[in-house]
Amino acid sequence: GAVVSQHPSWVICKSGTSVKIECRSLDFQATTMFWYRQFPKQSLMLMATSNEGSKATYEQGVEKDKFLINHASLTLSTLTVTSAHPEDSSFYICSAPSAGNTEAFFGQGTRLTVV
Amino acid sequence: GIQVEQSPPDLILQEGANSTLRCNFSDSVNNLQWFHQNPWGQLINLFYIPSGTKQNGRLSATTVATERYSLLYISSSQTTDSGVYFCAEGPPGGGNKLTFGTGTQLKVEL
Repeated sequence: GAVVSQHPSWVICKSGTSVKIECRSLDFQATTMFWYRQFPKQSLMLMATSNEGSKATYEQGVEKDKFLINHASLTLSTLTVTSAHPEDSSFYICSAPSAGNTEAFFGQGTRLTVV
Repeated sequence: GIQVEQSPPDLILQEGANSTLRCNFSDSVNNLQWFHQNPWGQLINLFYIPSGTKQNGRLSATTVATERYSLLYISSSQTTDSGVYFCAEGPPGGGNKLTFGTGTQLKVEL
């Protein structure tokens, strides 16, 4: 299967600072990637679709100015949580589609804790 | 959008037991996947199964698209099977903008 790498695996930051999370497709190109968020004991919720060379599309209720997404190349998408607050503490995970856009493959996820 | 309900929400098994997890959909099924989320949060692909039956070792899955449900069978469970099992559905023509089910938390005990 396709390999998606996410970095960092975990991060602790202070309130008001920004955190960048990287998502890379290692052995394939991805014009589209997806960012999900998972709160403890809950399911995964799609936040946004990252589009290479164009603006990301955000799901309803997700603040685009707070969660900045950049998809600068065919193998890299980044999610920046700006002015982080404790309520942003969560597990963030990205995915990219396989060739043929059928299966989704996920990164390892990033556990963000804002103190 | 589509609603995805999973049952049971929690399940405790003795090692060696068999189990069936179910996923019900409110709309038609197009690009169904099953995942296992391990204790570290990693999502492991189990099956891509929009219809029919597939088997992989001790796991098998069946999707009956016309009746809007899918089943995941785990046989001879092992402690390493513990974790959360999710089904997820994607839109027609592209399986990656996924709507995840509510999940089944499985614990396998010795």
